[in-house]
Amino acid sequence: AQSVTQLGSHVSVSEGALVLLRCNYSSSVPPYLFWYVQYPNQGLQLLLKYTTGATLVKGINGFEAEFKKSETSFHLTKPSAHMSDAAEYFCAVSVGGTALIFGKGTTLSVSS
Amino acid sequence: EAGVVQSPRYKIIEKKQPVAFWCNPISGHNTLYWYRQNLGQGPELLIRYENEEAVDDSQLPKDRFSAERLKGVDSTLKIQPAELGDSAVYLCASSPAGATRTQYFGPGTRLLVL
Repeated sequence: AQSVTQLGSHVSVSEGALVLLRCNYSSSVPPYLFWYVQYPNQGLQLLLKYTTGATLVKGINGFEAEFKKSETSFHLTKPSAHMSDAAEYFCAVSVGGTALIFGKGTTLSVSS
Repeated sequence: EAGVVQSPRYKIIEKKQPVAFWCNPISGHNTLYWYRQNLGQGPELLIRYENEEAVDDSQLPKDRFSAERLKGVDSTLKIQPAELGDSAVYLCASSPAGATRTQYFGPGTRLLVL
């Protein structure tokens, strides 16, 4: 069975600092991996995805993630945080194009 | 291109009352999903449709929940009767055909059962 673990339910950074949100997955077959962002009272917006090929994936709003098979990780990073990045972030895994299995989410706070 | 549309956005009902949520997926997306998101948690799948067929409803509490997707386009999720524990955000998503099936989510319906 597939599962996702997001380390740290809450991450706080200063504006301009590096953002690092951690995600580890478990899957018996090559997974598809996703990061979604959720702003208050809104649905989930796709940030980026890994399917096959290049292991460093670039997404919207300056975010990127690296798929590391040996570490079963898919951590999300952004070099310089902006106030508008404050939101809830979800990592998810899908196998064979079926339903997504989500982690519990990480709340990112950005202070000025 | 229009995104996934859901209505209503908010709903407050008394326990034991019925409630229904509506979803219109992105045009051309054959697969439709309903998820439930409890407070402080990630979404969890309730049901997945391929066109008109419910291909995965293993997590749908069938004693009180029902869903339909007539004509393979829009879908309705119903709860009857609602319980206090049903308070959550109900998210609809759709995906196109293909191996990846990237899912695109609607804004959700926030349900509060009193």
